[in-house]
Amino acid sequence: AQKITQTQPGMFVQEKEAVTLDCTYDTSDPSYGLFWYKQPSSGEMIFLIYQGSYDQQNATEGRYSLNFQKARKSANLVISASQLGDSAMYFCAMKSSGNTDKLIFGTGTRLQVFP
Amino acid sequence: DSGVTQTPKHLITATGQRVTLRCSPRSGDLSVYWYQQSLDQGLQFLIQYYNGEERAKGNILERFSAQQFPDLHSELNLSSLELGDSALYFCASSAGQGIVTGELFFGEGSRLTVL
Repeated sequence: AQKITQTQPGMFVQEKEAVTLDCTYDTSDPSYGLFWYKQPSSGEMIFLIYQGSYDQQNATEGRYSLNFQKARKSANLVISASQLGDSAMYFCAMKSSGNTDKLIFGTGTRLQVFP
Repeated sequence: DSGVTQTPKHLITATGQRVTLRCSPRSGDLSVYWYQQSLDQGLQFLIQYYNGEERAKGNILERFSAQQFPDLHSELNLSSLELGDSALYFCASSAGQGIVTGELFFGEGSRLTVL
């Protein structure tokens, strides 16, 4: 069965510093996608970044990058130059070819950025 | 704006009652997904519809039912409501073609409070 694990319930980071949010996954499917979503206090789910299992390079989107280590089954999100507006819940999610195309989510990490 | 519309945004009702949540997917998306987010359960996948047909079922209670109409909008019906059904209910949409790439686009959610 597919599973996403986020072991950090909460993280603190100072403004302008970088922070890494951990995510490990488990699947037996050879083809899968990994996603990160941000949920601010207002509640909406905002897509941040995607990594495909066959992608050779780590995904990047602006200040977000995904540190994909396939052998370790990890897909950590790196946020560079943190901003106060980055304070939110962050969810790692996975979609695999043998699982329709629904997303399975981890439990989330609450990130707080302080001045 | 994700293009996914959910109504109502907030709903307060009493135990034993029945409510209907409505979702309009992004233009052109054939798949609709329903998720429940509660404090103790995280983001749980409930059900997916693709072009009017049920495609995948998750942890959906028998008291809950959903359907997708010919115009592709979807409704989630929650009946015999209990206090534990209080949660944020998300609808998401995608092209839904069973491929691992491509994120789900989430609506802003319907916050249900059962008193």
